Amino acid sequence: SQQGEEDPQALSIQEGENATMNCSYKTSINNLQWYRQNSGRGLVHLILIRSNEREKHSGRLRVTLDTSKKSSSLLITASRAADTASYFCATNNQAGTALIFGKGTTLSVSS
Amino acid sequence: SQTIHQWPATLVQPVGSPLSLECTVEGTSNPNLYWYRQAAGRGLQLLFYSVGIGQISSEVPQNLSASRPQDRQFILSSKKLLLSDSGFYLCAWGGTVNTEAFFGQGTRLTVV
Repeated sequence: SQQGEEDPQALSIQEGENATMNCSYKTSINNLQWYRQNSGRGLVHLILIRSNEREKHSGRLRVTLDTSKKSSSLLITASRAADTASYFCATNNQAGTALIFGKGTTLSVSS
Repeated sequence: SQTIHQWPATLVQPVGSPLSLECTVEGTSNPNLYWYRQAAGRGLQLLFYSVGIGQISSEVPQNLSASRPQDRQFILSSKKLLLSDSGFYLCAWGGTVNTEAFFGQGTRLTVV
């Protein structure tokens, strides 16, 4: 069953603009992760934020986590055409043995 | 460093034919292994995971099965494919509490 749900489903922006994607989840978590998938390829891990963290940065990526609202956001600043991809949030299942993914946000960055 | 190999990249199979997709991991021991399926334009559905040799957990009832004959080998199988088995199959390792998952490049399966 789906744990995380991303919003919006699709996002189109111009190069240089910021892109914000949101993720909501249903149950308590140990951490929340964000992944990127280029079309027709496997997923690549971007960033992990633990349940006791509120914000984390990695290069042009900024992730926030609000456990009271069961939500997270991924901000990509100064986007580039190469950022065009699908982005997924993921959380552990209750047993902590597997990652459960949302349906993803498809980001298109035009030059 | 750890690497994960998944093959083939694409596969076209007739309805009713058998299926065997293989995934191997290098550079780590006793990994947790996973099979996911992704329908066109959709998210990832967890199919199976394994925490050790011969230990398989199934997340959803379906026409597929998985086996782990060796520590770093994970196989997805079907005796008779259905049209609904078409999709993008991804193998991954890792992904327990507070760790990231590493994905293979996927197999695009089309059942015709």
